[in-house]
Amino acid sequence: QQQVKQSPQSLIVQKGGISIINCAYENTAFDYFPWYQQFPGKGPALLIAIRPDVSEKKEGRFTISFNKSAKQFSLHIMDSQPGDSATYFCAASWPGANNLFFGTGTRLTVIP
Amino acid sequence: GAGVSQSPSNKVTEKGKDVELRCDPISGHTALYWYRQSLGQGLEFLIYFQGNSAPDKSGLPSDRFSAERTGGSVSTLTIQRTQQEDSAVYLCASSLGQGTPYEQYFGPGTRLTVT
Repeated sequence: QQQVKQSPQSLIVQKGGISIINCAYENTAFDYFPWYQQFPGKGPALLIAIRPDVSEKKEGRFTISFNKSAKQFSLHIMDSQPGDSATYFCAASWPGANNLFFGTGTRLTVIP
Repeated sequence: GAGVSQSPSNKVTEKGKDVELRCDPISGHTALYWYRQSLGQGLEFLIYFQGNSAPDKSGLPSDRFSAERTGGSVSTLTIQRTQQEDSAVYLCASSLGQGTPYEQYFGPGTRLTVT
């Protein structure tokens, strides 16, 4: 079963707008929540990550919001640009885990 | 420096044939992972190697799948008697150590098409 549920599957945003992608999980042992960005023909690359001891982490135009009680976390892309058009994956892991558990991905298209 | 490399980038094979996919991790990375990326399914963990420890094979979908890592570096994923449902992008990743907070660096993947 899917350990991390991601929505929406696809998202179209105007240039300059805010892109929001949501993820939810059930396993309370998860303690690491990264977001990966993947361009066509490339492997995923780490964008930003958060641990549950903070509710928000910001790096440039990218922000992760984390709600531990709701078991949800989201990626916000401010001032979205056409170069942000890519597929975004949320993921989660727990201490000592040998792998990341990925969401199903969101294809973001930013229209000029 | 060089990232994770994978070969071939594309592979088309007939149903029933065996295929080998290769991964060269980043030099010095002790952990190596294989994932499978199917359309609309996200990334599915297959197998994990850490140093000289026994690999974690818990994600392999069937006994037709196997992998080895020679000399703690290059890894080969082998799929025997390929089936159409094996068609996917196979991604390799490596990291400095096990688990978090070690970032996993991904290669570009091998797109496998089984006809």
